[in-house]
Amino acid sequence: AQTVTQSQPEMSVQEAETVTLSCTYDTSESDYYLFWYKQPPSRQMILVIRQEAYKQQNATENRFSVNFQKAAKSFSLKISDSQLGDAAMYFCAYTPPAGGTSYGKLTFGQGTILTVHP
Amino acid sequence: SAVISQKPSRDICQRGTSLTIQCQVDSQVTMMFWYRQQPGQSLTLIATANQGSEATYESGFVIDKFPISRPNLTFSTLTVSNMSPEDSSIYLCSVVGATYEQYFGPGTRLTVT
Repeated sequence: AQTVTQSQPEMSVQEAETVTLSCTYDTSESDYYLFWYKQPPSRQMILVIRQEAYKQQNATENRFSVNFQKAAKSFSLKISDSQLGDAAMYFCAYTPPAGGTSYGKLTFGQGTILTVHP
Repeated sequence: SAVISQKPSRDICQRGTSLTIQCQVDSQVTMMFWYRQQPGQSLTLIATANQGSEATYESGFVIDKFPISRPNLTFSTLTVSNMSPEDSSIYLCSVVGATYEQYFGPGTRLTVT
């Protein structure tokens, strides 16, 4: 079974600084998808960034970027120029590709609470 | 992307009663998912709801406790039956997008007293 591990229960960063959230996963699949979701106090799950395992290039979305190390099964999220609105719970998640019985099912990590200090 | 609504947004229920949560999507989708998020915890998949067939439940979740309906391609309900305080959680529905990402509803916060 796939597992996703976030070893940092809490992280903090100063406004305008950079922070990196860690995530490791375990799977026997060669093709899969990884995501970072943000959950603010409103509890709405917001997709931050996605990465296809077959792509070597790291995904980037504005101030958010990932460091995807497939061999090490590592998928970290870097937030640059942190803003107060970035404060939230961040979840790393894994899903297999279409064609299997687990298609569409997300496996989540435990989450990392990010605090942004002004 | 998909726009998903859930009703109710929150409820406080007495133990032993049941609550039905509704999930509406603004487009037709084959698969819908129901997740539970216990206080301070991550999300755990309860079941997958496919239109025209029985829902598929994950280990630790059973149909008698969490019956699911999927009458059409835009709507699903999850019932939490015979509730106990341990069922106090946020319940979220989701659908899969064209590029494998999932879109979530706003969640239903359930408190059982």
